[in-house]
Amino acid sequence: GNSVTQMEGPVTLSEEAFLTINCTYTATGYPSLFWYVQYPGEGLQLLLKATKADDKGSNKGFEATYRKETTSFHLEKGSVQVSDSAVYFCALSSRGNTPLVFGKGTRLSVIA
Amino acid sequence: NAGVTQTPKFQVLKTGQSMTLQCAQDMNHEYMSWYRQDPGMGLRLIHYSVGAGITDQGEVPNGYNVSRSTTEDFPLRLLSAAPSQTSVYFCASSRGGLLDEQYFGPGTRLTVT
Repeated sequence: GNSVTQMEGPVTLSEEAFLTINCTYTATGYPSLFWYVQYPGEGLQLLLKATKADDKGSNKGFEATYRKETTSFHLEKGSVQVSDSAVYFCALSSRGNTPLVFGKGTRLSVIA
Repeated sequence: NAGVTQTPKFQVLKTGQSMTLQCAQDMNHEYMSWYRQDPGMGLRLIHYSVGAGITDQGEVPNGYNVSRSTTEDFPLRLLSAAPSQTSVYFCASSRGGLLDEQYFGPGTRLTVT
């Protein structure tokens, strides 16, 4: 079945540091890939997505590239801010309206 | 536009009690889902619906019932609460399908003693 594996957290970074959160997946066919973010006390929000190989999703300074050859969708940001502190979830959905499958989430804390 | 709303925000139940978690959306989305979030487990799908009158089971459906009589509402019923159902519950909706952006409600924190 489909599955998503994210790097374990928590991740603690200083402000302006470079961020990478690793995500790899197992899926049949050609899934769509997503990053969702959950700020403290809130529900999840879509951060970015990519629907086919080599697509790059980007939003709010975050980027992720859909790499079919390595089955990966790593999240990166060049310079994190304190306001980026949140839990980040990688997710996938195969074609045909199968529900989203989420990774376990990676907690990021950014300190000033 | 209120988006996805959930009530209550917090709830404490005793083992064996039943209750309904409410979810409503005002975006005319066809697709709605219920997830539970547990520490170290990410989000797990309980039930989902692709339109009024149509529901299906997700990954962890046991102990929960759903119905979808209108496009707007998708209540989740706990039939006989158990401590294992202590969790944070999120409702989500999307416009064009499960591949589309999911809009999440703020969540309901449920404790079963």
